[in-house]
Amino acid sequence: DVKVTQSSRYLVKRTGEKVFLECVQDMDHENMFWYRQDPGLGLRLIYFSYDVKMKEKGDIPEGYSVSREKKERFSLILESASTNQTSMYLCASASPGRTSSGNTIYFGEGSWLTVV
Amino acid sequence: LAKTTQPISMDSYEGQEVNITCSHNNIATNDYITWYQQFPSQGPRFIIQGYKTKVTNEVASLFIPADRKSSTLSLPRVSLSDTAVYYCLVAPTGDDKIIFGKGTRLHILP
Repeated sequence: DVKVTQSSRYLVKRTGEKVFLECVQDMDHENMFWYRQDPGLGLRLIYFSYDVKMKEKGDIPEGYSVSREKKERFSLILESASTNQTSMYLCASASPGRTSSGNTIYFGEGSWLTVV
Repeated sequence: LAKTTQPISMDSYEGQEVNITCSHNNIATNDYITWYQQFPSQGPRFIIQGYKTKVTNEVASLFIPADRKSSTLSLPRVSLSDTAVYYCLVAPTGDDKIIFGKGTRLHILP
């Protein structure tokens, strides 16, 4: 069974802290994604990686960075957490060029981050 | 990427058929249409995908008219457990950057 695992389900961090959200997939997918989801705003793409050490900005990259040192692992980093980054964060993976031809994008369960 | 437009929310009753329409006026020749379902506190999951005419699986049907400028997800005889957000996604084969819209929040009433 395919699996995307996010390391933390619930986190509470203080303003200014550095936060790491980890994601691991076991499907040997080249592409990995980080989204955030807020009420009324749907899923918004933060960053996307199409290969190890490769990344591309999504729609809302400000305040975030990412790391992809190994194919199976994609980390989202909040260098200095702020209260407006309180949200649910979703990691996903997919095979390249196949999300629209039969294969699909797979999501993790989500990480709920609260910044106080 | 083709922009999609869906209703923000819909209500229906148990046992009824629900149809959710997605507009994608600038769909390109090689674009496929995919629908995802998201339950509260979970990530979205794939429901159905199509290119033209009609596709049916054990969960839903997808109707795509000849001009492909819209598509309709049809859920037969819904139950309370079908309450979820449904996303329509239009993307070409080979497009790796996946952008979701705001989806349609479907609320099933008893």
